Amino acid sequence: TQLLEQSPQFLSIQEGENLTVYCNSSSVFSSLQWYRQEPGEGPVLLVTVVTGGEVKKLKRLTFQFGDARKDSSLHITAAQPGDTGLYLCAVGYSGGYQKVTFGTGTKLQVIP
Amino acid sequence: SAVISQKPSRDICQRGTSLTIQCQVDSQVTMMFWYRQQPGQSLTLIATANQGSEATYESGFVIDKFPISRPNLTFSTLTVSNMSPEDSSIYLCSVEIPQRYSGANVLTFGAGSRLTVL
Repeated sequence: TQLLEQSPQFLSIQEGENLTVYCNSSSVFSSLQWYRQEPGEGPVLLVTVVTGGEVKKLKRLTFQFGDARKDSSLHITAAQPGDTGLYLCAVGYSGGYQKVTFGTGTKLQVIP
Repeated sequence: SAVISQKPSRDICQRGTSLTIQCQVDSQVTMMFWYRQQPGQSLTLIATANQGSEATYESGFVIDKFPISRPNLTFSTLTVSNMSPEDSSIYLCSVEIPQRYSGANVLTFGAGSRLTVL
């Protein structure tokens, strides 16, 4: 079983549409990270959410951490072709050595 | 944040051969992490490489198949031994960066090494 389940697994949308990606778990986390990976590159950190219920905005991307700190969502408004990539949620643990575990991933394609 | 260089960026290998991937970081780091990303999949941690000690392997990965070296604080290698087509993946090197406001450590990655085994 996966620690972090993402949905949907694949998403193909037209430019200008909105979308939401979900990251769910049965475990409670002190923080959660979102990364984006473009083809031919390694994942790049987008945001870290820490507080239950926290909402963070990064231009057209809105990230929310669930009240119980077990889940998170990523909402993209007016998607652009440049948003195309693999979106990964991930968790680690505060302080010292930690093993960052990644979610199952959501592959997004935005068609011009 | 740290800048990570990996090479080769891609390679096509024959079954039964071995390939060593190099990872160079532009600053000294305590731990380096090696991940595997199978086609269309997410990332799975292979092992953690500490300078001066043996690497720590995750469940399902063994030293004989994925030997790792960590000769200094800026460099590590991962060897994929006796390759089979099932080893065709992207192999990624990463280091952790402390994030003060969250208390969490986050990762920065190299661009990855895409291996195709025929």
